[in-house]
Amino acid sequence: GENVEQHPSTLSVQEGDSAVIKCTYSDSASNYFPWYKQELGKRPQLIIDIRSNVGEKKDQRIAVTLNKTAKHFSLHITETQPEDSAVYFCAASPGGYQKVTFGTGTKLQVIP
Amino acid sequence: KAGVTQTPRYLIKTRGQQVTLSCSPISGHRSVSWYQQTPGQGLQFLFEYFSETQRNKGNFPGRFSGRQFSNSRSEMNVSTLELGDSALYLCASSLTGQGNQPQHFGDGTRLSIL
Repeated sequence: GENVEQHPSTLSVQEGDSAVIKCTYSDSASNYFPWYKQELGKRPQLIIDIRSNVGEKKDQRIAVTLNKTAKHFSLHITETQPEDSAVYFCAASPGGYQKVTFGTGTKLQVIP
Repeated sequence: KAGVTQTPRYLIKTRGQQVTLSCSPISGHRSVSWYQQTPGQGLQFLFEYFSETQRNKGNFPGRFSGRQFSNSRSEMNVSTLELGDSALYLCASSLTGQGNQPQHFGDGTRLSIL
């Protein structure tokens, strides 16, 4: 089955700096890669996703890149703000019926 | 539209008991997936239901089971509870459960086993 590895497990950045979270996946059939943000005590919320026919996608301060050859995708957050502090999960899905495999999460702390 | 609703929010049980958790998906969503979230393990997939049928199952023992009703509401049952079952149980819904559709999560049920 699919295996998703996520690094780092914790990340501290100064407000205004950039943050990068990296994930690798094992199943070459995976073609959908969502990212979720989970604030303390709240539900995971989708913040951005990318499909395998696209190499990069941006939405304001966040962007995701995908390298299908290396089976690697990354989340980039620019100009970080304290409200970006949360746990971020990457995930991969091979399409077909939904069986999404999640990474173990990255706890991002933005220091004011 | 109302979001995904999970009840109850908190549960305290003792070892050996059983528990039933409920999930109401977003109106019109027919796929419901269940996940177990524990510190350090992330979200572990339990199972996915669509049109009252279980289509996918994760690597959990048979003590974990579920079902889906004709209105797409889903329940998850855990029998013979163990200390290790303490976790946040999340459900997520999507329109048809196709792998490339976004999932919408509920707030979860936090289960504590004493």
